[in-house]
Amino acid sequence: GAVVSQHPSRVICKSGTSVKIECRSLDFQATTMFWYRQFPKQSLMLMATSNEGSKATYEQGVEKDKFLINHASLTLSTLTVTSAHPEDSSFYICSAGGRGYSNQPQHFGDGTRLSIL
Amino acid sequence: GIQVEQSPPDLILQEGANSTLRCNFSDSVNNLQWFHQNPWGQLINLFYIPSGTKQNGRLSATTVATERYSLLYISSSQTTDSGVYFCAVGEGGGSRLTFGEGTQLTVNP
Repeated sequence: GAVVSQHPSRVICKSGTSVKIECRSLDFQATTMFWYRQFPKQSLMLMATSNEGSKATYEQGVEKDKFLINHASLTLSTLTVTSAHPEDSSFYICSAGGRGYSNQPQHFGDGTRLSIL
Repeated sequence: GIQVEQSPPDLILQEGANSTLRCNFSDSVNNLQWFHQNPWGQLINLFYIPSGTKQNGRLSATTVATERYSLLYISSSQTTDSGVYFCAVGEGGGSRLTFGEGTQLTVNP
């Protein structure tokens, strides 16, 4: 069964709305979670690394004020797309690596398809 | 950062055919995973294979870490095998993954 749960699976909203996406690790404690973005016909690109109890680390070119990440517990990370615009429409997917989670695969959520009208 | 190259970018097969997908990476890794992304976007984890050989039904994978490549074999392909196959590598289980550009596989009946 799924070890990483992501919610919601699909969001359609108006321009200017803020959207929150949740990523939960179900069977383990995840000190680190990752957020990826995928545009149509393209690969997954890492947006940011979410660290439990500390600030997220953002990849170059990703606006940290646009994509707010909170990792307040060992099982939950949230990504908030603030004042979303049509260019933010994309597929967002999270993955989790746990405490001392070496020599084990990363597990991915099912993704969130965000459409901004 | 680590560079990941997948080949071929596109592959069209008739049902029942076999295929080999390749993943080359530019640096030493401790994590290598193969995924199948279905039409709904879900990433299905096929193999965690930083080294060695594994088999799961009609699929098998081999990673030669010293030569920095991995191969995914699909035998007796079925239409349900269609989709995008990604190779992703990282420095460890708890570290970021870098994805290749993927191989778009189409299996025709």
